[in-house]
Order: sequence, then C-alpha cells, then structure tokens
Amino acid sequence: VQLVQSGTELKKPGESLRISCKGSGYSFTSYWITWVRQMPGKGLEWMGTIDPSDSYTNYSPSFQGHVIISVDKSVTTASLQWSTLRASDTAMYYCARRGATDALDIWGQGTMVTVSS
Amino acid sequence: QSALNQPPSASGSPGQSVTISCTGTSSDVGGYNYVSWYQQHPDKAPKLMIYEVSKRPSGVPDRFSGSKSGNTASLTVSGLQAEDEADYYCSSYAVSNTVFGGGTKLTVL
Repeated sequence: VQLVQSGTELKKPGESLRISCKGSGYSFTSYWITWVRQMPGKGLEWMGTIDPSDSYTNYSPSFQGHVIISVDKSVTTASLQWSTLRASDTAMYYCARRGATDALDIWGQGTMVTVSS
Repeated sequence: QSALNQPPSASGSPGQSVTISCTGTSSDVGGYNYVSWYQQHPDKAPKLMIYEVSKRPSGVPDRFSGSKSGNTASLTVSGLQAEDEADYYCSSYAVSNTVFGGGTKLTVL
C-alpha cells in the first residue's frame, strides 16, 4: 500500500502547476485522498479532500478558490493544481489516504514546490 | 476553522513519560471521537500514531496512548526513547473539515 507523489517543482509567480499522487496496493476508490500543506518550518495545514469514487470534493475555506483537487480513478491518481502560483505557495505538499474515521493512515513522500522569480 | 491548540514544546528524559495536550472546541475535539495524532521526524512525511482518540495502528508501540476529556485530547508517550524525538500533531474532524494542531516539538533530554 503506497502513495507516490510527483517530483520537486520550481516555478515562477503567475505560472500554473499540477502535482500528482498515485495510489497502489489497495482499492483506490474505497478511500478518500487528502492534501496537506506544510510551509517551510511550519505545521501541517489541511487543504481539502476528494472521494475518488465520485470526485466529490471538500475544501478548507483557506484554500477554496486557489487550488483544485481532482482525481482520475482509471489511473488511480489524485492531483492538486494551481492556475496562478504565488510566492506564498512555496511549501511541501503531502497527499494522504483518509480512512473512515478521518485518520490519514498512508502518506505520500511529499512534493516540494518552490515559487520564486 | 482555527487550528487546535498544542504547546509548542515538550521534553522528558529517557524512560520518563510525557503528555502533549490538544485543545479545541465543542465543534471539533469535543464533538467527535475522531482525533488523530501524527509523528513527524525532520524531512520525513508524517506518520499516524493514534486514531479515534485512543486506537493504535498496527506497528505503533504501546508506549503511545491517547485520551480525551471534553474539548481536550492528549497524547502520552511512556518510556521515552531517543527515537521519539520528533514533532507531534493532533487533528480532529470538524463538520465537513479537518483541523490540525500547531504541532509540538518533543525533545528527549
């Protein structure tokens, strides 16, 4: 059972970006995928979550409208995308598998996103 | 949704016990038994240590235990070992959201 995330990204402000999270070793549509942000030297922040079975998505108010969470269950992959990056988006982004009791039991290795001119 | 309140630091000597608190409201910690705890070592992904307030996933040592009273959840680490030195985060379900605590850095003296 694992989640494997896409690699490190270096982007400029205003650019767009999509990072991915591929699940394997379990029934991908049976568990929600959650995205978590960790800014440099800071704590964990819950961004939002998606049900891969029907793509129902729930966002934190702090991230609603700035990111889009999506899923392609045919390739067991969830994605997190931005249309307009800001310097303040510089952070490590983790995807995690969410169980029925809200616990995040499997985590990806993280994707570091740096936004700098 | 405000972050859950954790002390920024905690410490203990090897073999001792330490308890980390996580204070929320009746809308999150106090309202649901869906409190989880995560351990994060430097430059590593978080790891689930406790779920549903007090349950341990397979492979987590029984030195780790969780509890809750009212709006405050707690993580206790007994028999501290050097490898327990890490950051610890609590989280709680809140209607249509999940909220994390600010994190506690546990130092093993």
